[in-house]
Formats: sequence, structure tokens, C-alpha cells
Amino acid sequence: DIQMTQSPSSVSASVGDRVTITCRASQGISSWLAWYQQKPGKAPKLLIYAASSLQSGVPSRFSGSGSGTDFTLTISSLQPEDFATYYCQQANSFPSITFGQGTRLEIK
Amino acid sequence: EVQLVETGGGLIQPGGSLRLSCAASGFTVSSNYMSWVRQAPGKGLEWVSVIYSGGSTYYADSVKGRFTISRDNSKNTLYLQMNSLRAEDTAVYYCAKLWFGALGFDYWGQGTLVTVSS
Repeated sequence: DIQMTQSPSSVSASVGDRVTITCRASQGISSWLAWYQQKPGKAPKLLIYAASSLQSGVPSRFSGSGSGTDFTLTISSLQPEDFATYYCQQANSFPSITFGQGTRLEIK
Repeated sequence: EVQLVETGGGLIQPGGSLRLSCAASGFTVSSNYMSWVRQAPGKGLEWVSVIYSGGSTYYADSVKGRFTISRDNSKNTLYLQMNSLRAEDTAVYYCAKLWFGALGFDYWGQGTLVTVSS
């Protein structure tokens, strides 16, 4: 099975900060990587697919990069509504899909 | 507008069975890849199962042999039959539409809580 490891597990930041979250795959997954945002009590929301493609309706301050085993999600200027938990998800081994353990983004 | 509404969760004793439903609107379930994803309390996301548009089904090792994914095309509804439930199956269960071109989940339901406890 492909394991996905996110870092950090949690991060504190302020409104306006630039934040980067990393996701590492245990083996190469090409660009079959997606990023989700989840707020408490809500379903996840797709932000980025194919490692770097922005889902329709998602603000342009979100961006993704990477291929192979190392990927990043960057929020260029944090907004109050961005404080949430973020998950990466690989689909290279589809139909088997795995998620990272999550990164909690908290207000400093 | 695409909408997914899960029902059927609740409290069930270990070893029991439960069937979850996910009623879809705004698109056709049978023309898409549909999945169940779960989240244990305070934990991360875990993929559970997928059904292809052609009808093939696949499961995570943790539920293989105990859970069955299916759909009713006439009702545009997805199901998850869960048998031999264990405490570790306690979670919020989400149904999600898989965007095949991106292999990401573009629409999710609101989730239904399953609690396995005596």
C-alpha cells in the first residue's frame, strides 16, 4: 500500500501569512494527488487535483506543486476562513486510495 | 445542483449489521464512480469502497468481506451494507462522487455517524 505522510501535523499562522504544507508518498505516484480542506463538522472540499490544478471556485491563493513522491500545498496569504484541516490524497494505486493523516492549520 | 444525502447511521452493537444510503440528485449515480469514505472521531479520512460506472466494486482491506457497496439505478441511490461490525468501524461515513479524470472526490455528502458499541 502507498503511505502518505504530511508535515507538519499542525501549524500556527496569522492572517496574511504564507503557509506551505508538505505531503510525501512512500513510492512514486506521478501527479495523482489531490488536496482537500475540511472544517469541523463538515465534509472535505476538493481544492487541488492532479497535484497542481485548481478546482473550480477555489481562490487563487491556493496552489499545489510536485510530482513523484513530494508535493506541497501553499496558501499565499492566509484568510480567516482558511483555518481548517488539510488532507492530501493519492490515487496512483486506484482503485485503492489513501489519504495523508492531515495537517491542522490554527490561528496564531 | 449536485447533492448527496446520506442516511442510515446510528448506534449498533458489535457483530451487528447496518445499511447506509446515499441519495443523489443533480447527476446520475450509475454513470459515475462512487465511493464511501469514513472518518473515525477525531481522526483522518479513510477510503472504504468504490463502485465503478460499469459495476465493478473494490474495498479497503479493513472492510473486505464485511462491507458491500451497491446502487439502485432507479432510485439514483448508493448503498453500503455493513455486516459483522466492530468498534473500530465507528466513524462518520461519507458518500462521495469521484471525478474520474482527476481521481479526486469533487462532491461529498454531509456524512452519517455510525457508532458500534455495546
